[in-house]
Amino acid sequence: AQTVTQSQPEMSVQEAETVTLSCTYDTSENNYYLFWYKQPPSRQMILVIRQEAYKQQNATENRFSVNFQKAAKSFSLKISDSQLGDTAMYFCAFMMPGAQKLVFGQGTRLTINP
Amino acid sequence: GAVVSQHPSRVICKSGTSVKIECRSLDFQATTMFWYRQFPKQSLMLMATSNEGSKATYEQGVEKDKFLINHASLTLSTLTVTSAHPEDSSFYICSARDRQDYGYTFGSGTRLTVV
Repeated sequence: AQTVTQSQPEMSVQEAETVTLSCTYDTSENNYYLFWYKQPPSRQMILVIRQEAYKQQNATENRFSVNFQKAAKSFSLKISDSQLGDTAMYFCAFMMPGAQKLVFGQGTRLTINP
Repeated sequence: GAVVSQHPSRVICKSGTSVKIECRSLDFQATTMFWYRQFPKQSLMLMATSNEGSKATYEQGVEKDKFLINHASLTLSTLTVTSAHPEDSSFYICSARDRQDYGYTFGSGTRLTVV
């Protein structure tokens, strides 16, 4: 079974700094999808970024980018120019194309300090 | 973008009663919907996967007779917590998968408190 590990339970940085959240996963499959979700205090799950494993180019969405290392099974999220509104729980998730369901990591609580 | 509406956002019920939570995809067809439970400061725990027109698939350890799931249409799935007890108090979240995309959209969640 696939597993997702987020080794940083909590992180805290100053506003405008860059922060990287780590995520590793375990799978024997070659084709899959990876996601980062954000859960702010409102508890609404929001998709931050996603990556298809067959794409070598790292996904980027404005201030959010990933470092996808397929051989190392690593999928880290970099947040540039962090803002107070980035304060949230961040979950890394994995999905097999045919399995439908998401496998979530344990989450990282990120706090952006003014 | 895709929107999933979940109601109610908060509900308080008495022990022994049942409560229904609705999850609707507003602007897309969702052949598959998912129900999660989230404890404070923890990750989402998948309870069950519901496919339109068929029985839900429950994860190991989830009581299907306590957590009744119905997915009667391509836009609506419901979770009924039957004979609720205080230990069922939790945050429940639904998500729906767009049949034309591999993305998932989440509802805003329901805070259930059983007193």
